[in-house]
Amino acid sequence: DTAVSQTPKYLVTQMGNDKSIKCEQNLGHDTMYWYKQDSKKFLKIMFSYNNKELIINETVPNRFSPKSPDKAHLNLHINSLELGDSAVYFCASSQALAVITDTQYFGPGTRLTVL
Amino acid sequence: GENVEQHPSTLSVQEGDSAVIKCTYSDSASNYFPWYKQELGKGPQLIIDIRSNVGEKKDQRIAVTLNKTAKHFSLHITETQPEDSAVYFCAASFRDYKLSFGAGTTVTVRA
Repeated sequence: DTAVSQTPKYLVTQMGNDKSIKCEQNLGHDTMYWYKQDSKKFLKIMFSYNNKELIINETVPNRFSPKSPDKAHLNLHINSLELGDSAVYFCASSQALAVITDTQYFGPGTRLTVL
Repeated sequence: GENVEQHPSTLSVQEGDSAVIKCTYSDSASNYFPWYKQELGKGPQLIIDIRSNVGEKKDQRIAVTLNKTAKHFSLHITETQPEDSAVYFCAASFRDYKLSFGAGTTVTVRA
């Protein structure tokens, strides 16, 4: 079974649209993350949640809104998509809050292309 | 600051040779340094990590060294194999709450 899963794997959409990416982990972890990987493969954290509570918000535009219905799910909703939002978005999870040495397990990624 | 610099950006080695990737970090409080491997079309996967109280760690063909004084750490892969071809990322903890990643090294192992 996949530990961290994301849907969809590919997402192609027009500028100005609103879209969501879903993430689920079956590892029983308390902390989940969203990362953005740009075209040069640079990985940067966007958000982290611990047990449904927002912990990190790395100066991401308000158009990005994470939602955690329970600790196994962390979805990412993006409003008014812009060309610069095109990237691969990775969800990840780790065991505990504020234990940065816990291994982060990454999902397979969602490639978002904004036309 | 939270900058992590990684070199080289690309590395091509002959199968069986060694590969070395180097990273430097700026936050003197960083105390955790993981290395991730990302294969094509997949998410990054942890391959080895080191904490600041250790200078070197080895796991089969992979080893990592850390020099806290100089604020740099390195990944060494010995006896490289084609399946080692991937993008490798170093990372450093920043203020104990997040990881800052290097820009990645694309490693190609030539058969």
